[in-house]
Amino acid sequence: AQTVTQSQPEMSVQEAETVTLSCTYDTSESDYYLFWYKQPPSRQMILVIRQEAYKQQNATENRFSVNFQKAAKSFSLKISDSQLGDAAMYFCAYQLGIAGGSEKLVFGKGTKLTVNP
Amino acid sequence: GAVVSQHPSRVICKSGTSVKIECRSLDFQATTMFWYRQFPKQSLMLMATSNEGSKATYEQGVEKDKFLINHASLTLSTLTVTSAHPEDSSFYICSAHGYEQYFGPGTRLTVT
Repeated sequence: AQTVTQSQPEMSVQEAETVTLSCTYDTSESDYYLFWYKQPPSRQMILVIRQEAYKQQNATENRFSVNFQKAAKSFSLKISDSQLGDAAMYFCAYQLGIAGGSEKLVFGKGTKLTVNP
Repeated sequence: GAVVSQHPSRVICKSGTSVKIECRSLDFQATTMFWYRQFPKQSLMLMATSNEGSKATYEQGVEKDKFLINHASLTLSTLTVTSAHPEDSSFYICSAHGYEQYFGPGTRLTVT
């Protein structure tokens, strides 16, 4: 069974600085997707970034970027120029890449990010 | 972007009663929807996968007779918690598969 591990229950960062959240996963599959979701206090799940395993290039979305190391099964999230609104729970998630992409998501336990002014 | 709604957002019910939670995809059709449960300060735990027109697939350890799931149309899935007890109090989140998985805002269930 696929598993996702987030080893940092909590992280903090100063406003305007950079922080990296760690995620490792275990799978024997070659075709899959990886995601980072943000859950603010409202508890609405928000997709931050998505990475297809077959793509070697790391995904980037504005201030958010990932370091995808397929051989090491590592998928870290870097947040640059941190803002107060970035404070939230961040979940790393894995999805098997069956055609149509309607497979279930497997979540890590989450990292609570605090942004200090 | 695609929108998923849940109703109600909060519900309080008495022990022994049943409560129904609706999950709707507002601007797209979803053949697959997912139901999650989230305890305070914990991650999302998948309860079941709901497929339109067929029986739901439950995760191991989830009581299918207690958590009834119906996916009668391409835009609506419902979760009914039957004979609710205080330990069923939790935050329930649905997601619907379109281009990706889109999440509803969640339903907070409190059983007194």
